[in-house]
Amino acid sequence: KAGVTQTPRYLIKTRGQQVTLSCSPISGHRSVSWYQQTPGQGLQFLFEYFSETQRNKGNFPGRFSGRQFSNSRSEMNVSTLELGDSALYLCASSPSSGRDYNEQFFGPGTRLTVL
Amino acid sequence: DQQVKQNSPSLSVQEGRISILNCDYTNSMFDYFLWYKKYPAEGPTFLISISSIKDKNEDGRFTVFLNKSAKHLSLHIVPSQPGDSAVYFCAASGNNDMRFGAGTRLTVKP
Repeated sequence: KAGVTQTPRYLIKTRGQQVTLSCSPISGHRSVSWYQQTPGQGLQFLFEYFSETQRNKGNFPGRFSGRQFSNSRSEMNVSTLELGDSALYLCASSPSSGRDYNEQFFGPGTRLTVL
Repeated sequence: DQQVKQNSPSLSVQEGRISILNCDYTNSMFDYFLWYKKYPAEGPTFLISISSIKDKNEDGRFTVFLNKSAKHLSLHIVPSQPGDSAVYFCAASGNNDMRFGAGTRLTVKP
């Protein structure tokens, strides 16, 4: 079974631009979560989608948004990029809700650098 | 608002000795706890978990202890091996919400 894939792996943008990151979950997984990893802050939860609906949201500004498609693939968008948005963005998928939600499988991440 | 805290950003131990990584949480709604391990350029991978109905869970060299009254959990690795060198994240889950700590970088010296 293929793992979680994220594209692109690396991205360089300038301040003010916007960016879209993509995540393909493990086949059959319906939940997709996004995290931001920065040094010293660990994994900061962005949001979680389940069956095309945002189910949970972390404490990030409205510049960060996401969506999930009917095939469970998810995209994350960041508008008006700031230098502080430079981070590793991780996507994780899990089979379903409830206890199965705990079984999160992570992709390799997208390294975003904002200049 | 950090609901899950790992207060030690790094830990260094000698090969063969015990590694103890600590984690504290604040939200009493959390009822399931996990440890993930992360190597550079890879996503975190699940290591071991524990439900709030238990106070200990063991898997080979890895043991997780949970102290609910103190809202504290710890990961013990015995014996530590150089291949265990990685960043370890603890996570707490409950009510379809999962939060991670900042991570502890473990270095096991040969």
